[in-house]
Amino acid sequence: GAGVSQSPRYKVAKRGQDVALRCDPISGHVSLFWYQQALGQGPEFLTYFQNEAQLDKSGLPSDRFFAERPEGSVSTLKIQRTQQEDSAVYLCASSLPSLIETQYFGPGTRLLVL
Amino acid sequence: AQSVTQPDIHITVSEGASLELRCNYSYGATPYLFWYVQSPGQGLQLLLKYFSGDTLVQGIKGFEAEFKRSQSSFNLRKPSVHWSDAAEYFCAVGANYGQNFVFGPGTRLSVLP
Repeated sequence: GAGVSQSPRYKVAKRGQDVALRCDPISGHVSLFWYQQALGQGPEFLTYFQNEAQLDKSGLPSDRFFAERPEGSVSTLKIQRTQQEDSAVYLCASSLPSLIETQYFGPGTRLLVL
Repeated sequence: AQSVTQPDIHITVSEGASLELRCNYSYGATPYLFWYVQSPGQGLQLLLKYFSGDTLVQGIKGFEAEFKRSQSSFNLRKPSVHWSDAAEYFCAVGANYGQNFVFGPGTRLSVLP
């Protein structure tokens, strides 16, 4: 079946612009995660949803970052007033609702802020 | 809070040689441990995971890992490396969902023909 998809795959933004990154999880996966991966680093947790409920947003680096999943499927990560330090790959993963279940990752969105 | 270290930033091996990638974790209880692989332009793919039971875990693509509680380690091994194994490898530790799921910095594997 289809895996996790993310769009756009690449995004170039001017500093100060708002961006929206989309994640389509695997059908039936109630858990959805966002990670930020800086160049040469491992992914860092941003936020976690179970269905439409955002259960943990402790990893969001500032109040410029906002995530939503209004119908419990597609999720959007929004970054307002982008800064150069926001440049990274943003990864989305989905899974069934148990830690022992595998997280399936999308290909990521590479964001470059100029 | 959990933490993960991968002491080797970059490893180069010849095709057909054996491989061991190191992972050390810090966590106060029994951890859930994972190894992921990331090829250029690709998403992360789970190689194997450990939750409990047998400390030697078999994964996909011929990989295995051994959990050693006394050494707080979860090293990844493969007896014979293929050129297609060249990628970035990440160790991760989790306890609950959310900020407790932590990735290491990764080890980049290069394979010589």
